[in-house]
Amino acid sequence: QVQLQESGPGLVKPSETLSLTCTVSGASITSYYWSWIRQPPGKGLEWIAYIYYSGIINYNPSLKSRVTISVDTSKNQFSLKVTSVTAADTAVYYCSSGGEYFQNWGQGTLVTVSS
Amino acid sequence: DIQMTQSPSSLSASVGDRVTITCQANQDINNYLNWYQQKPGKAPKLLIYGASTLETGVPSRFSGSGSGTDFTFTISSLQPEDFATYYCQQYDNLLVTFGGGTKVEI
Repeated sequence: QVQLQESGPGLVKPSETLSLTCTVSGASITSYYWSWIRQPPGKGLEWIAYIYYSGIINYNPSLKSRVTISVDTSKNQFSLKVTSVTAADTAVYYCSSGGEYFQNWGQGTLVTVSS
Repeated sequence: DIQMTQSPSSLSASVGDRVTITCQANQDINNYLNWYQQKPGKAPKLLIYGASTLETGVPSRFSGSGSGTDFTFTISSLQPEDFATYYCQQYDNLLVTFGGGTKVEI
């Protein structure tokens, strides 16, 4: 059973960088594609990016200039960085397994952008 | 970019009702269409992938159909635990897009 857990600061100041990590258990990070998806409060889902351990990466074109996704096979983790954040980046951030469809999800972590 | 138009955005239904939600893509996405259920404060749950394949453990009252640009999600007999928001999601040309969601309410 694949389990995912997001971690990172819940509050980020405007113009700073949001950094989140997803720790995977129950599966090797080399077994699947891995994704980040976010959901602003009261709104719908937005896919951010996916990665495969071999280096295959794809980003949402609307976020590509500010987002970096990476994987650490030694820790069975993958990570997300979003630079130059604004209030519009306030959302629940989910990590998930998959790139074509999302079968396993973390519980989500709320990141608020505010000074 | 591929845009997904999901309708309706909300609907009211009763236990036992048949519920249908549609999702339309602005270009052909073959059968790369998936459906999720999300309850308040919870992560989405995959129900159907590949337009019509039921995820393991998902009740058979849920079904999906369609190909190309037009897709349908059906709950054959709505149960109390089915009141939630449902999202379609496409994967084509290496990118992912979600529909806007349908809130199913009493």
